[in-house]
Amino acid sequence: DAGVIQSPRHEVTEMGQEVTLRCKPISGHNSLFWYRQTMMRGLELLIYFNNNVPIDDSGMPEDRFSAKMPNASFSTLKIQPSEPRDSAVYFCASSSHNRDLTFGSGTRLTVV
Amino acid sequence: GDSVTQMEGPVTLSEEAFLTINCTYTATGYPSLFWYVQYPGEGLQLLLKATKADDKGSNKGFEATYRKETTSFHLEKGSVQVSDSAVYFCALSVIGDYKLSFGAGTTVTVRA
Repeated sequence: DAGVIQSPRHEVTEMGQEVTLRCKPISGHNSLFWYRQTMMRGLELLIYFNNNVPIDDSGMPEDRFSAKMPNASFSTLKIQPSEPRDSAVYFCASSSHNRDLTFGSGTRLTVV
Repeated sequence: GDSVTQMEGPVTLSEEAFLTINCTYTATGYPSLFWYVQYPGEGLQLLLKATKADDKGSNKGFEATYRKETTSFHLEKGSVQVSDSAVYFCALSVIGDYKLSFGAGTTVTVRA
């Protein structure tokens, strides 16, 4: 199993641009999570999907952030427009019913 | 709410030294407890877990015992190696809740 696959690994973009982060969860996992990691705030849960349906998006910072899961093997996190304070490492994680999360390697986003 | 508190770092040790990272928790239900490890440039990996009181989780020479009486899940390793340099996160989840509550993380550096 290739694990949770995220792309790109690194993204540098200018303020105001749209950014799309991608995630492929482990096959058979029915839960998917997007996290953001910063030095100041640590790990923050942004959104949780179960069976492709968004269950909890209370962690999404503001309307500039949106996430979709069109099918069981793909999810996106979009930021539009991006701002410098969005710079962070974004992790996708998936799990099955046993709750053991498997994390991807993350996308390091830098907004200049 | 449910939360974990872990000792602040950074922690710097010499090779073969004994490592302890303290973690205490607060939970409204009956939690499962986890330690995750994050190596430089990578995502979080599950290191060990315990699902009920007095259980001991162990992996790669690390151990942690679920102590309900002290609401603790301290991580220990008897002889650390340079390759153990990483950030360690304590986490909990409560039955029926999908969320993992993470601690702030403890950075451990092992010097040769």
